[in-house]
This record gives sequence, C-alpha cells and structure tokens, in this order.
Amino acid sequence: SQQGEEDPQALSIQEGENATMNCSYKTSINNLQWYRQNSGRGLVHLILIRSNEREKHSGRLRVTLDTSKKSSSLLITASRAADTASYFCATDRYNFNKFYFGSGTKLNVKP
Amino acid sequence: DVKVTQSSRYLVKRTGEKVFLECVQDMDHENMFWYRQDPGLGLRLIYFSYDVKMKEKGDIPEGYSVSREKKERFSLILESASTNQTSMYLCASSPDRALSYEQYFGPGTRLTVT
Repeated sequence: SQQGEEDPQALSIQEGENATMNCSYKTSINNLQWYRQNSGRGLVHLILIRSNEREKHSGRLRVTLDTSKKSSSLLITASRAADTASYFCATDRYNFNKFYFGSGTKLNVKP
Repeated sequence: DVKVTQSSRYLVKRTGEKVFLECVQDMDHENMFWYRQDPGLGLRLIYFSYDVKMKEKGDIPEGYSVSREKKERFSLILESASTNQTSMYLCASSPDRALSYEQYFGPGTRLTVT
C-alpha cells in the first residue's frame, strides 16, 4: 500500500501568490522527499527532510515535517507560471533505497 | 549532471507482444528502479535493482520481469503485453544511500498496448 498522499489533488493560484501542498503518511519514516514533475516528463528532486528535522528551506521552497501528525507540507512562495507542475511527496520504506510516492498535487499558476 | 535516458518516449505495441523498455544511467549509480504512473494512482514501483544481476520485486511485479547485466543499464520486459499495461513507465537511479537518497528520473516512456 502507498504511504504518502498529497492534498489537495489540484490547486490553482495567481502568479505571485503562495502555494501550499500537504502530504500525509501512515507509518514512521526516516526521510521524506518532494519531487516536481512537469507535464509528461520525469520527476525532479526538490528537497529532502529527515525525521529529526522540522523545517527546511531551499530558495522559494519551504518544507515542514510533523512526525507526530505524520504529515509534511511544501510551501512555494511568490509562485511563478513556471512552477506549474505536479508535486509528489515520497516516503521511505524499511529499505532506505526505496520510496513510496503519492498521487501528487497538480499546481496551476496563472500568469 | 546525472543523465537517465530511456529508449523510447512513445511506444505502441499489440496485445501479446514481448516488449523491452531500456534505461541507461551515466553516473555509476548502484540502484535503479522501474515505476509505472497512472492517473490517480501516482507512481508504483515495479522492480528495483541494487546491484548488477540483483533485483527485488516492487509493489506490482506481475506481468513484468527485469534484467540488469551491466551497472548502467536496467531493462524492463513485458513478457506478453496486455491492454492493462498501457501506462507511463519511468526509470530512475540513485547512488548508494550512504551518499544520497535522491532519485534521478528519465523522461518516461508512454506505452500504449492495443
């Protein structure tokens, strides 16, 4: 069964606004990653957060992790049309090389 | 830059055909993966390989097999293609977990089985 599940399934915002996506998972994890997928392409790694971290930043991205609630959020600040993509969270398994991917949040940033 | 390439972007095959999907990575990564992606279901792991000639079943291995004869190449084989295998297939690689957990993806192969 899959671990990470993103919410909402789809999000539409205006350029310049912030976008927040959430990921919930079922069992304990060691690492959680976020990936982006542009339409019809492969996934690109954005950021990894470890279970002992609560927040991490990378450019306009901010990721938080709440292990007590088994959830993570990805915040994209000052969004751009180029941020239009699907965003996936990936949670690790007992085998640290393998990750579960959720079904993604489809973000549309309108210019 | 890490590059993961897949043999075809689009492929159309007939039911019952044997189908080979090839994936090559150029970063000497130990781990390689095959996923399929379907709307509403996200990415599901088909097979995983952690070394040459080593493989491990993922979540949905039925109807598929894999081959890893060389470190850089990981092939997915559909023994007898069926219409329910119409999907987007994504290959990925990652280094040993001591270095990084990041997975690098190829551009995907959209397979249609008619």
